[in-house]
Amino acid sequence: GEDVEQSLFLSVREGDSSVINCTYTDSSSTYLYWYKQEPGAGLQLLTYIFSNMDMKQDQRLTVLLNKKDKHLSLRIADTQTGDSAIYFCAEMNPGGYQKVTFGIGTKLQVIP
Amino acid sequence: DTGVSQNPRHKITKRGQNVTFRCDPISEHNRLYWYRQTLGQGPEFLTYFQNEAQLEKSRLLSDRFSAERPKGSFSTLEIQRTEQGDSAMYLCASTGTGTNYGYTFGSGTRLTVV
Repeated sequence: GEDVEQSLFLSVREGDSSVINCTYTDSSSTYLYWYKQEPGAGLQLLTYIFSNMDMKQDQRLTVLLNKKDKHLSLRIADTQTGDSAIYFCAEMNPGGYQKVTFGIGTKLQVIP
Repeated sequence: DTGVSQNPRHKITKRGQNVTFRCDPISEHNRLYWYRQTLGQGPEFLTYFQNEAQLEKSRLLSDRFSAERPKGSFSTLEIQRTEQGDSAMYLCASTGTGTNYGYTFGSGTRLTVV
């Protein structure tokens, strides 16, 4: 089945690291994504990881994938106030249509 | 090409009226998706087009909803006889082939049914 779960809220101090966690249920997912949504805006693709990888680093972002536990995390180093947003974990379901299923989103609050 | 464009940004309509939204995807993207997002939720899949063919529809897409993508370019989403429960942000996304399949989203159309 398709289900993506995330915690609802995370608060961190500016300069600290943020870690946002996600679990998914479809073991056949091929790509997993992190999207960012700022108020009143659409979603912006931040980063992705292919299912045969266990880590991906992109500047301040580190994605960790534990396929056995179906657990995905996003670490933001040196969190800035501009990182305040809602972060969505998403999985791409296999098949012909590349349909993506999104989690409920984690609201990240960065305290100056 | 400046990305995925959606119009209008906001729409307020009375219950029972019909509304139509438009999405202009990135020109070289052949795959187009419509999602609906309600407050405090993640986007929920509505429908998918590959070129002009509508290949998948969610059970969320009742018979009051219809989507088209003539000529495989822009797409429209029409809601007939709107209900208050239709109030949501309607998001359009597009993607190409041979990529990580990550979506490029538009800014969305926020529908309020009063």
